[in-house]
Amino acid sequence: NSKVIQTPRYLVKGQGQKAKMRCIPEKGHPVVFWYQQNKNNEFKFLINFQNQEVLQQIDMTEKRFSAECPSNSPCSLEIQSSEAGDSALYLCASSLGTGSDTQYFGPGTRLLVL
Amino acid sequence: GDQVEQSPSALSLHEGTDSALRCNFTTTMRSVQWFRQNSRGSLISLFYLASGTKENGRLKSAFDSKERRYSTLHIRDAQLEDSGTYFCAAEVFTGGNNKLTFGQGTVLSVIP
Repeated sequence: NSKVIQTPRYLVKGQGQKAKMRCIPEKGHPVVFWYQQNKNNEFKFLINFQNQEVLQQIDMTEKRFSAECPSNSPCSLEIQSSEAGDSALYLCASSLGTGSDTQYFGPGTRLLVL
Repeated sequence: GDQVEQSPSALSLHEGTDSALRCNFTTTMRSVQWFRQNSRGSLISLFYLASGTKENGRLKSAFDSKERRYSTLHIRDAQLEDSGTYFCAAEVFTGGNNKLTFGQGTVLSVIP
């Protein structure tokens, strides 16, 4: 189904530590999304890119996260100072364009902040 | 904000039976995607619809083409491997950004 690769699968951090996760989109997909799924199955859109440019991000992402999609390197999402409430499954998705297109999801990085 | 209301929240089916999941949207949506999430957290795309219906094996999905305010996922002849959590996710009509808004999920258990 999906060829989106996410690493690591699991990440454990202490409060205040940085937490970094990576995503390799499907080949040929210029658009990348990051979503957060909490333990209540609530999804939150975090940020998306077209190639290296940010298309949209929410306030929380702008203030506390650092994200990029450099050319010829994996995309990354990094929490600068982890909080307990950041414990969640972080899902990366990619698609062909910014029009209506199927989004293909990676397996996610499950972050636990102790 | 834009809302996606998914029902039921949980469903238990005997093998071989049929059922349907539904998502209602509080605003007109551009497209809808249906996923199944397995126990490891992987979101598997089942359908993407901008209108009309699509069918794949025992699964069929429909998106209301007229008012674009609801979508359904029909499961026919349920099998044990259909168990999992199903999500619909819809895309609002906005220019240049097709972020998805997800429903709350349906936990489906298929029992022998």
